[in-house]
Amino acid sequence: NAGVTQTPKFRVLKTGQSMTLLCAQDMNHEYMYWYRQDPGMGLRLIHYSVGEGTTAKGEVPDGYNVSRLKKQNFLLGLESAAPSQTSVYFCASRSPGGQTQYFGPGTRLLVL
Amino acid sequence: DQQVKQNSPSLSVQEGRISILNCDYTNSMFDYFLWYKKYPAEGPTFLISISSIKDKNEDGRFTVFLNKSAKHLSLHIVPSQPGDSAVYFCAATSTSGTYKYIFGTGTRLKVLA
Repeated sequence: NAGVTQTPKFRVLKTGQSMTLLCAQDMNHEYMYWYRQDPGMGLRLIHYSVGEGTTAKGEVPDGYNVSRLKKQNFLLGLESAAPSQTSVYFCASRSPGGQTQYFGPGTRLLVL
Repeated sequence: DQQVKQNSPSLSVQEGRISILNCDYTNSMFDYFLWYKKYPAEGPTFLISISSIKDKNEDGRFTVFLNKSAKHLSLHIVPSQPGDSAVYFCAATSTSGTYKYIFGTGTRLKVLA
């Protein structure tokens, strides 16, 4: 089992460019999450999904969109990147019966 | 409004001694708490958790204590080892009605050999 994987590992964008971050999990988990981690800010929830075809906003959703077309994949999109979106992005998943989230290795994004 | 706070950004402890990491929360709806450990360039990994029906949970060298009246939890690592050097995040959630987890800002633990 690969667990939770994230693609890409690192990306540099120019302001205004768009990109999609991919999260994939092979644990058949219903719930998936996108977080961003910034220095001194901990992990902040961007969006989450409680099942295929569902999405919901977290604490800091502005500037991001998500889609969950397949149960195993959760995509995070930036339509027009801004320097404030420079961060490390983590995806996580968990099963409804458990409280433990399993995290991916992260995507480091730099917006110039 | 920071619902989960880790007021110590960093902590240094000698190898073999006890490490105590603290976490405070404000939302009385939280009833499940978790500690995650994070190494540089890796994702957080689950360490230990506790339900609000308990006041202590132990797993090997790691023990989490929960004081509901004070809205405070702590993670004890005994004995501390150099491999424990990492950033530790506490997280809280309500097991009814929400799927969200609120994380603290993390405490960087350095265990000195």
